[in-house]
Amino acid sequence: DAGITQSPRHKVTETGTPVTLRCHQTENHRYMYWYRQDPGHGLRLIHYSYGVKDTDKGEVSDGYSVSRSKTEDFLLTLESATSSQTSVYFCAISGGGGGQPQHFGDGTRLSIL
Amino acid sequence: RKEVEQDPGPFNVPEGATVAFNCTYSNSASQSFFWYRQDCRKEPKLLMSVYSSGNEDGRFTAQLNRASQYISLLIRDSKLSDSATYLCAVHEGDSSYKLIFGSGTRLLVRP
Repeated sequence: DAGITQSPRHKVTETGTPVTLRCHQTENHRYMYWYRQDPGHGLRLIHYSYGVKDTDKGEVSDGYSVSRSKTEDFLLTLESATSSQTSVYFCAISGGGGGQPQHFGDGTRLSIL
Repeated sequence: RKEVEQDPGPFNVPEGATVAFNCTYSNSASQSFFWYRQDCRKEPKLLMSVYSSGNEDGRFTAQLNRASQYISLLIRDSKLSDSATYLCAVHEGDSSYKLIFGSGTRLLVRP
């Protein structure tokens, strides 16, 4: 399995609090991605990174920010969590550009009350 | 129209059956295609890449039809352990490093 670790694995928090999810990889892959998965919507891209300090928005980026200060770490932050951000969050990595598959971490189950 | 579409199922088949899933995509510039398997409450795992000439891995066969813009996954001799959701994924464009995922097709294999 690809060396991807997400933390925390589970989190329950309250509306309005900041939340940071961490994705750590040991594969030295250039590309990293954050997705959320919800019933009826499948996997939706939140943000992605194509290198250290190089990030861009995905299709559902509102309310989320990311940072990548090292190749191995990609952080996803919910500045002020809302109940609509209750979801399962997956990090993925890819070694190349077009043509390469992505490999996923175990996921973080986030509940916002 | 969604960029990548799959029949959500569920497909309920007996052990030993052959089952096929299709996945249609809208961007004719897409060049790379994949099938993933996702078990309940788990992460998606790469099942196989889909090549232009078609490819086979044991009981699994993947094919690409560029003219009609769909990919397919055929599972022969279904096992109980094949029960899962199968996601197709398509690269957004010719050189894109973003994947667009279908919502998945659920397969239930019964004894």
